[in-house]
Amino acid sequence: AQSVTQLDSQVPVFEEAPVELRCNYSSSVSVYLFWYVQYPNQGLQLLLKYLSGSTLVKGINGFEAEFNKSQTSFHLRKPSVHISDTAEYFCAVTRGGGATNKLIFGTGTLLAVQP
Amino acid sequence: EAEVAQSPRYKITEKSQAVAFWCDPISGHATLYWYRQILGQGPELLVQFQDESVVDDSQLPKDRFSAERLKGVDSTLKIQPAELGDSAMYLCASSSGTGTGVYEQYFGPGTRLTVT
Repeated sequence: AQSVTQLDSQVPVFEEAPVELRCNYSSSVSVYLFWYVQYPNQGLQLLLKYLSGSTLVKGINGFEAEFNKSQTSFHLRKPSVHISDTAEYFCAVTRGGGATNKLIFGTGTLLAVQP
Repeated sequence: EAEVAQSPRYKITEKSQAVAFWCDPISGHATLYWYRQILGQGPELLVQFQDESVVDDSQLPKDRFSAERLKGVDSTLKIQPAELGDSAMYLCASSSGTGTGVYEQYFGPGTRLTVT
């Protein structure tokens, strides 16, 4: 079975500073990895995904993530954050293929950008 | 831009009452998912449909929850009777693929349920 761990429940950061949100996964099979963002009282929006190929993945809004198979990590980074980046960020994994490709989510990290 | 529609956006109900949520996926999307997101946690899959067939309902509390997608388009999730622990955000998502690939799931805005 797959699982996702987001160690930081909340990350405070000042505007224009860099940020890294950590995600580690556990799986005995190959997986596909995603980062979603959720603004208050809204659904989830896909930021980026790793399916195969280059381990550095670029997404929307200036975010990027690096897949590290040996460390089973998929950390999300942004070099300079905006106030508007304040939101909950979820890392998710799916085994893919077969009849079900359900997403297994972490517990989320609240990114709180301060002026 | 096509979106997943959900209604109502907010629902307050009393314990032991029945409640229903509706989801209209993006047109042409064969796969539909219902997730439950308890406050402070990530979403958890309740049920997955491919067209009108249930693919995965292993985490659906079947004694009180039911879901249907009769014509393979829109879907309804019902809870009867509601319990205090059902208070959560209920998210619907859809994806276009039905094969063995990995397909992006598009999420609706969710229905926030409060059981009093």
